[in-house]
Amino acid sequence: DAGVTQSPTHLIKTRGQHVTLRCSPISGHKSVSWYQQVLGQGPQFIFQYYEKEERGRGNFPDRFSARQFPNYSSELNVNALLLGDSALYLCASSLESESYNEQFFGPGTRLTVL
Amino acid sequence: AQSVTQLGSHVSVSEGALVLLRCNYSSSVPPYLFWYVQYPNQGLQLLLKYTTGATLVKGINGFEAEFKKSETSFHLTKPSAHMSDAAEYFCAVSVTGRRALTFGSGTRLQVQP
Repeated sequence: DAGVTQSPTHLIKTRGQHVTLRCSPISGHKSVSWYQQVLGQGPQFIFQYYEKEERGRGNFPDRFSARQFPNYSSELNVNALLLGDSALYLCASSLESESYNEQFFGPGTRLTVL
Repeated sequence: AQSVTQLGSHVSVSEGALVLLRCNYSSSVPPYLFWYVQYPNQGLQLLLKYTTGATLVKGINGFEAEFKKSETSFHLTKPSAHMSDAAEYFCAVSVTGRRALTFGSGTRLQVQP
């Protein structure tokens, strides 16, 4: 069975541009969460979506947005990119939305903002 | 709010030696606790988790952790380190009703031959 997949693997953008990152959850998983991992730090929660509805939001500016599609895949959008947005963006899927459910992480998208 | 502190950003052990990675948490309500491992250029893989019940939790690859409420700790141990254990380890906490995991800053484990 395929795990969580993310695309693209790597991305280079310049300040002010916008970016869209994509995630496909494990088959049967209805919940998708997004995390930002800055080099040398632990992942920080950005969003959770369950059954296409936003169920949780971390402390990130409105430049960050996301959505979940009927097939449970998800997109993370970041507008007006800043140098500080350079990070590994991780997507995680789980069967249900409660946090005690195991979250399965994808390999991440490495975003570099120049 | 919940928080996690991982003592020691780098830990080095010899192959065959005991591995001990420390994690302390802060939570005003009963926590769910997790240990994840991250290999270079990969996502995170769950090693083990504590939700309720037995406080000694066994995970994959010979790792285990003990939930100690009085010490607010959830340290990760493995009796004998293997070269393949070299990776970054993250402790995380969550609680009922909260959708997110709160991660510590990570501990990089080096295993010397």
